[in-house]
Amino acid sequence: DTEVTQTPKHLVMGMTNKKSLKCEQHMGHRAMYWYKQKAKKPPELMFVYSYEKLSINESVPSRFSPECPNSSLLNLHLHALQPEDSALYLCASSQEGTSGGVDTQYFGPGTRLTVL
Amino acid sequence: ILNVEQSPQSLHVQEGDSTNFTCSFPSSNFYALHWYRWETAKSPEALFVMTLNGDEKKKGRISATLNTKEGYSYLYIKGSQPEDSATYLCAFITGNQFYFGTGTSLTVIP
Repeated sequence: DTEVTQTPKHLVMGMTNKKSLKCEQHMGHRAMYWYKQKAKKPPELMFVYSYEKLSINESVPSRFSPECPNSSLLNLHLHALQPEDSALYLCASSQEGTSGGVDTQYFGPGTRLTVL
Repeated sequence: ILNVEQSPQSLHVQEGDSTNFTCSFPSSNFYALHWYRWETAKSPEALFVMTLNGDEKKKGRISATLNTKEGYSYLYIKGSQPEDSATYLCAFITGNQFYFGTGTSLTVIP
């Protein structure tokens, strides 16, 4: 099973809502990633978890809160978002998170988030 | 923020044509270069992970080369097919930092 799943596929939320994005993989990977992609821009790395510990936080605002309850699951909790946070949120996983980027990343299909 | 450039931005070719596109990246502090293929409404799919200067990788009709000294990688598609239509992304990795290019959008016309 080389699949990374993400739910929901689409999410529309108001600026006062609290919602969560979910990502799951069953490949035994120990590194998981959140990316944000705005239209016509490259994906930007937000967070990296390695062995269930946050190893990289790319200066992401605190209204985005990642959580890795176990090695197969990665959540992104959203609170008090702004309309400019509307984007495609991609999750990925790789074998290790400490190998200097030489591992293949497997991506999910993304969650399309719209903040009203 | 590092600049990873891909050219051209978009490309239309006829079925059966061969094509290539470029990813340019900084030539210092190189760790790895990834190529991905991303079809609309699907997940990005890893094509190649390249780490050594002079690397050449091949997967079916798709191949890639790497020049870390001058900071570029080429992706080649031989005998393009309509199913090759997708956006091709490269990602430059330095340390634990990942920098994606904006992609080359390829359309293969039957």
